[in-house]
Order: sequence, then structure tokens, then C-alpha cells
Amino acid sequence: AQSVTQLGSHVSVSEGALVLLRCNYSSSVPPYLFWYVQYPNQGLQLLLKYTSAATLVKGINGFEAEFKKSETSFHLTKPSAHMSDAAEYFCAVRGGNQFYFGTGTSLTVIP
Amino acid sequence: GAGVSQTPSNKVTEKGKYVELRCDPISGHTALYWYRQSLGQGPEFLIYFQGTGAADDSGLPNDRFFAVRPEGSVSTLKIQRTERGDSAVYLCASSTRGGAAYNEQFFGPGTRLTVL
Repeated sequence: AQSVTQLGSHVSVSEGALVLLRCNYSSSVPPYLFWYVQYPNQGLQLLLKYTSAATLVKGINGFEAEFKKSETSFHLTKPSAHMSDAAEYFCAVRGGNQFYFGTGTSLTVIP
Repeated sequence: GAGVSQTPSNKVTEKGKYVELRCDPISGHTALYWYRQSLGQGPEFLIYFQGTGAADDSGLPNDRFFAVRPEGSVSTLKIQRTERGDSAVYLCASSTRGGAAYNEQFFGPGTRLTVL
């Protein structure tokens, strides 16, 4: 069975500071992992995805994530936070016909 | 191009009533998914369609929930005898095909259902 765990339901960073959102996965097979962002009253938008081609994945809006099999992690980072990054972030793993989502991390950016 | 659209955006109903939620996927997408997102939680899978047929309905919580996709495009999620616990945001997503595990799912904005 596949699942993901997001550590930290709320994260606050100062504008310009490093963003680190944590995701650990559990999967019985090589995982396909995704990060989605959800802005208020909008649908989920794909930030990036890991499909085993490369362990460091670059996504939109300056985000990237590194797949670490030894740590079963797929943490999301961005070197410098922008006010527009404030949103809810979801990590997900593909299992069969569906995605299994984490409980989400709400990112607040402090001016 | 147009993304996934869902109507209505908000639905308020009374306990025991019947509701229908509509999803219009991206044109040409054969795979369609319904998810339910409760407050403070991530989306939870309900049902997956490949074309007109429900290929996986293992996430439907009980027999009050039913979904159709008669022409392989628009889908309707139907909830009978609504309960307060059904209150959530119902998300629809579509994909070019369901079989490839790395295929991105494109999500609609959701329908917020409130059962009073």
C-alpha cells in the first residue's frame, strides 16, 4: 500500500528565506511522487513530479524536490520565498488508479 | 485551453436531500477522477472512470454515493439522503489516460457541499 506523510501542518518563513516542506512516503513498489499546490478557492496545481528519471526534480515557480530512497523522502524546497508562495501544499504518491495525498502543509510567508 | 470545470461551486442542502455535482473534464481526457477533501485533510479518492465505465469505485464510502459518465465526457456525482458528514469539497480531476502512473491529473476548483 502507498501513503505519504507530511510533517508540519503549518510552516512560516520570512520573505526571501529558504522554504522546506517535508514529505515521507511509504510504497511497496518504486513510487511515482508528486507535489501539488492549492491556492484559496482554486483547484490543485501540479508543481513537480518524480518518475524515476532523475532524483532531483525541478518544478514551476522555482520549486524543486529531491527523491531520497534511503530516507523514503521527497522534500520540497525553494531557495527564496516569495509572498505569492503562500498556499497549501500537498505531497502525493500514485498507487494503482488513484493518488494518495498527504494532509497538506500550509505555508505562510512573512513580509 | 479550458481546464476542468465543476458546477456548482457551492451547494448548501438539508440533511436527507439528494444532490448532484457536475464535472466537465478537459476535452480529450479519457480518465476522470472524483476526490473528496474534508477540512484540514488532503483529497481522498472516491472513483475513477476510464471512458464511460467506472474502472475503480473502491473509494465510494457507501451506497448513497454514485457517479456516472454516460458519454465518456461529463460526469455527475450523485449523493442520496445526504448527511452532515458528507460536507466537504468534492474535487474532480482528469487525465489523458489512467494507465500511465506518471500521468498528471488536472484538477477542477471543486464544489463545496454543505449539509445542514
